[in-house]
Amino acid sequence: DSGVTQTPKHLITATGQRVTLRCSPRSGDLSVYWYQQSLDQGLQFLIQYYNGEERAKGNILERFSAQQFPDLHSELNLSSLELGDSALYFCASSATGDTQYFGPGTRLTVL
Amino acid sequence: AQKITQTQPGMFVQEKEAVTLDCTYDTSDPSYGLFWYKQPSSGEMIFLIYQGSYDQQNATEGRYSLNFQKARKSANLVISASQLGDSAMYFCAMREYMDSNYQLIWGAGTKLIIKP
Repeated sequence: DSGVTQTPKHLITATGQRVTLRCSPRSGDLSVYWYQQSLDQGLQFLIQYYNGEERAKGNILERFSAQQFPDLHSELNLSSLELGDSALYFCASSATGDTQYFGPGTRLTVL
Repeated sequence: AQKITQTQPGMFVQEKEAVTLDCTYDTSDPSYGLFWYKQPSSGEMIFLIYQGSYDQQNATEGRYSLNFQKARKSANLVISASQLGDSAMYFCAMREYMDSNYQLIWGAGTKLIIKP
């Protein structure tokens, strides 16, 4: 158990819909990262937050947004969903520059 | 140019044999870190081992060791006495400091299958 929690574990929705994925980092970790992993693909970095502020942006679509709240939990919002958005979405957390520990992931299926 | 290269898309290894998974990297940052993660078929991403660029000794964690050859810019993962449960995807990643932030660059992964 990495100490990072993600909900929900599975999500099935329809094209055009909007969903919110939730992540709670390990106790004491200020950084939260979001990744997307499509079927049999590597990890695509989406976005990083540090102590409530956006720190780095990767290949995140404009339809996607994220935020980190004062209690350090983070949410990833995916809107106008397309079939190609079906993927495993990971949240990871770390202390500054340290090892990233991953949550169990949310498996999103868009039908 | 690829910053992290894992040249073996897939490997089959006999149970109980040692396994070496290759990883080469490219960076101009003198202070960097190298990580290996395991992703079993269940999907979770599990941290295995870390090597800092200034570490004199190769990192070891149980059956995992990192064969760090700085001059060659390679950071191969060695799994001793492989087990069926080692079957998984393995990702190599490099941390470097860029744009006032630590960033993790990922390799494409190697799919390891342990044969009984």
